Amino acid sequence: AQKVTQAQTEISVVEKEDVTLDCVYETRDTTYYLFWYKQPPSGELVFLIRRNSFDEQNEISGRYSWNFQKSTSSFNFTITASQVVDSAVYFCALKAGYSTLTFGKGTMLLVSP
Amino acid sequence: DAGVTQSPTHLIKTRGQQVTLRCSPKSGHDTVSWYQQALGQGPQFIFQYYEEEERQRGNFPDRFSGHQYPNYSSELNVNALLLGDSALYLCASSYGVVGYEQYFGPGTRLTVT
Repeated sequence: AQKVTQAQTEISVVEKEDVTLDCVYETRDTTYYLFWYKQPPSGELVFLIRRNSFDEQNEISGRYSWNFQKSTSSFNFTITASQVVDSAVYFCALKAGYSTLTFGKGTMLLVSP
Repeated sequence: DAGVTQSPTHLIKTRGQQVTLRCSPKSGHDTVSWYQQALGQGPQFIFQYYEEEERQRGNFPDRFSGHQYPNYSSELNVNALLLGDSALYLCASSYGVVGYEQYFGPGTRLTVT
């Protein structure tokens, strides 16, 4: 069975602060994919990144960066110089083999001006 | 290029009634997955349709059923509605049954009174 844990329920920061969202996953499969989605108040899940289990390179996309560590089964997400528009709920998800997506409970990020 | 569309946006039903939600996948996608997202929770997988057949199913009762049409659009039907069925219902489309990347629609907010 797959499991994703996002221990941080809610994080509040002031604009321009850096913030890291934690994600820990469990799976017995050796081949799997990890995802991050953003859910603004409108409700639609917006795809941010996909990472496969064989690629542990960190990735940076603008102010976003992701740190994948198989040794600790973690796939953390960092937003640098946060902005008010980053306020949303962020979900980490896991897909192993032919299974569908397993989501964590999400972390609500509140960025105040 | 149209993304995933869902209808209706909002719906209010009474306990015991039946409801049908609709989803049109992103152009080029042939697989549709449905998720239920209760307030404050991550999306939970309901089932997946590919080639007009249910391919995978999550831990949901038989009151939840679906259908996929030849044009790949899909319906989610819920019978004998319970208060606990109140949630945001998300449709996601992908290419192929493995579907490494799922694109989500805006969701249908169902309220059962």
